Amino acid sequence: SSELTQDPAVSVALGQTVRITCQGDSLRSYYASWYQQKPGQAPVVVIYGKKNRPSGIPDRFSGSSSGNTASLTITGAQAEDEADYYCNSRDSSGKEVFGTGTKVTVL
Amino acid sequence: QVQLVQSGAEVKKPGASVKVSCKASGYTFTSNAMHWVRQAPGQRLEWMGWINVGNGNTKYSQKFQGRVTITRDTSASTAYMELSSLRSEDTAVYYCAILSHWGQGTLVTVSS
Repeated sequence: SSELTQDPAVSVALGQTVRITCQGDSLRSYYASWYQQKPGQAPVVVIYGKKNRPSGIPDRFSGSSSGNTASLTITGAQAEDEADYYCNSRDSSGKEVFGTGTKVTVL
Repeated sequence: QVQLVQSGAEVKKPGASVKVSCKASGYTFTSNAMHWVRQAPGQRLEWMGWINVGNGNTKYSQKFQGRVTITRDTSASTAYMELSSLRSEDTAVYYCAILSHWGQGTLVTVSS
């Protein structure tokens, strides 16, 4: 099965911009979704499909993709954005895979 | 609104099986695949498998193939995940999800 690799941790100053990346071969063929998970809570999707944002998700969250890399950008990070973020995609066999996860710290 | 409500926490002994349920409401149950994802303490999300709720077809992660069974009861709008031959490493929170929405999670503790 495909692997999706993320940086383990990133930090961002309050109000600044941070980009989280996800690398994997399956991303050349399939879109990534992005999930935010806060401690003790279930994941919440923040980006799905090509770059769709569910209702209720702030527009400071955006997604993009190029080649084997998908990215989640938080423009103007807020304290409540501090969380773990996981990318997700499917592979050619129809199975899903989650990324290794990135812990975002807002300073 | 879409809701996925899972069964309560379980404590099992090594070698036993556990069956977790996930009752769906607020959408057409047969229109979305139901996935099962687990998360061991302090670890990443781990996809286990999914079921095509409409026709019952399943697909499992190779890691769990042979130990996991995902089923559904369309009359009850409920999906199930059964994991057998439990070991301590299976201690985790188990989630059902249609990926746009997730259940609250079920803690399964495997301990002698």
